[in-house]
Amino acid sequence: DQQVKQNSPSLSVQEGRISILNCDYTNSMFDYFLWYKKYPAEGPTFLISISSIKDKNEDGRFTVFLNKSAKHLSLHIVPSQPGDSAVYFCAARGAQKLVFGQGTRLTINP
Amino acid sequence: NAGVTQTPKFRVLKTGQSMTLLCAQDMNHEYMYWYRQDPGMGLRLIHYSVGEGTTAKGEVPDGYNVSRLKKQNFLLGLESAAPSQTSVYFCASNQNPGPIGVYEQYFGPGTRLTVT
Repeated sequence: DQQVKQNSPSLSVQEGRISILNCDYTNSMFDYFLWYKKYPAEGPTFLISISSIKDKNEDGRFTVFLNKSAKHLSLHIVPSQPGDSAVYFCAARGAQKLVFGQGTRLTINP
Repeated sequence: NAGVTQTPKFRVLKTGQSMTLLCAQDMNHEYMYWYRQDPGMGLRLIHYSVGEGTTAKGEVPDGYNVSRLKKQNFLLGLESAAPSQTSVYFCASNQNPGPIGVYEQYFGPGTRLTVT
């Protein structure tokens, strides 16, 4: 029973364009959502988050959108840069724990 | 400030052997977690702790035990390793969310474990 799903295992985007990563969840009790970025052989690092009472949060080139009625969130990166190539995990908080999606590997092409 | 550290970085075990993975954090965080990462599966929670002396089961606790004797350390034990436990293990910690609700977890660099 996958409560948080990232249906795209990989995404390839040209440098300078917008990258859009998607995440769906099933549990309406989740109240906080986070995105993490992971480079090979390193631990995940926090990128950006959003509370369930908001529908958008922006931090520099990164914006997270939350659509509660659709139980869907997305991460927009604009403009995309080569250093953004990594695996991105979305996570949802419920009962003191985070539930993670499977991850999406983003590749930025020059 | 080292953040979250994990020991060892790599380990190869034979089926049936035991080992302990150590996680240490110097941020005075209340909450600590152990995850495993497998291809296509994301990060799955094994066990977690909301304070010194407390532990609780996560999504995939079978075959693992944990202890939190000191606030800064969280140990993950495998009593009798199995090939299915071949994985990359990550430890994470975060402060008590409190009234402002901070839920960001900080991760260690990971331990790559192979069980043959």
